[in-house]
Amino acid sequence: QVQLVESGGGVVQPGRSLRLSCAASGFTLSTYSMHWVRQAPGKGLEWVAIISYDGTNKFYADSVKGRFTISRDSSKNTLYLQMNSLRTDDTAVYYCARARPYDFWSFDFWGQGTLVTVSS
Amino acid sequence: QSALTQPASVSGSPGQPITISCTGTSNDVGGSNYVSWYQQHPGKAPKLMIYDVTNRPSGVSDRFSGSKSGNTASLTISGLQAEDEADYYCGSYTSSFTLYVFGSGTTVTVL
Repeated sequence: QVQLVESGGGVVQPGRSLRLSCAASGFTLSTYSMHWVRQAPGKGLEWVAIISYDGTNKFYADSVKGRFTISRDSSKNTLYLQMNSLRTDDTAVYYCARARPYDFWSFDFWGQGTLVTVSS
Repeated sequence: QSALTQPASVSGSPGQPITISCTGTSNDVGGSNYVSWYQQHPGKAPKLMIYDVTNRPSGVSDRFSGSKSGNTASLTISGLQAEDEADYYCGSYTSSFTLYVFGSGTTVTVL
């Protein structure tokens, strides 16, 4: 069955970097568009980034543009989110989510999330 | 890009219907067929309930239905049940630079 497992979260100081991973199983990552979505503590959902199914297109929310990079390793069937120049308002649970087939913009499977805390 | 506007809370008795609204603009809800609804129980990941405005994924109860009129999308839960108590978020593709925006979220309480 489809499963997404995030890892790499933790406590980091402002200005530092962190890389999140999302290991996929039950499907081939490179045939689906994939997203990162985050949720600050007690707050709503915020879309972060998308990588298209063929890996050629990557788009970001304005709040992370220029600081975060989405990528994937097809050989490991794993999605990544490289987060640089972290700020306190990046503190959130980060979810990876799979887009429905042929539909970039609805998310049919989600991971359990990994918590990133940016604090000095 | 501001979040789409949802009521903070909606409540109903078991068996009653409720409707949650999601109001945006012509740049997002009003101009997009990519409107989805997600259910989130406390401490859990969101779950897709409706996609492309009106479509229900396999395995989702037919008590859940979606619709849209102008710049407002709606999620209706007919025959409210205890397990429906959760937070609900709408989401839409947007032609703005942000590309995708979620709603502010609605807490559904079963009385």
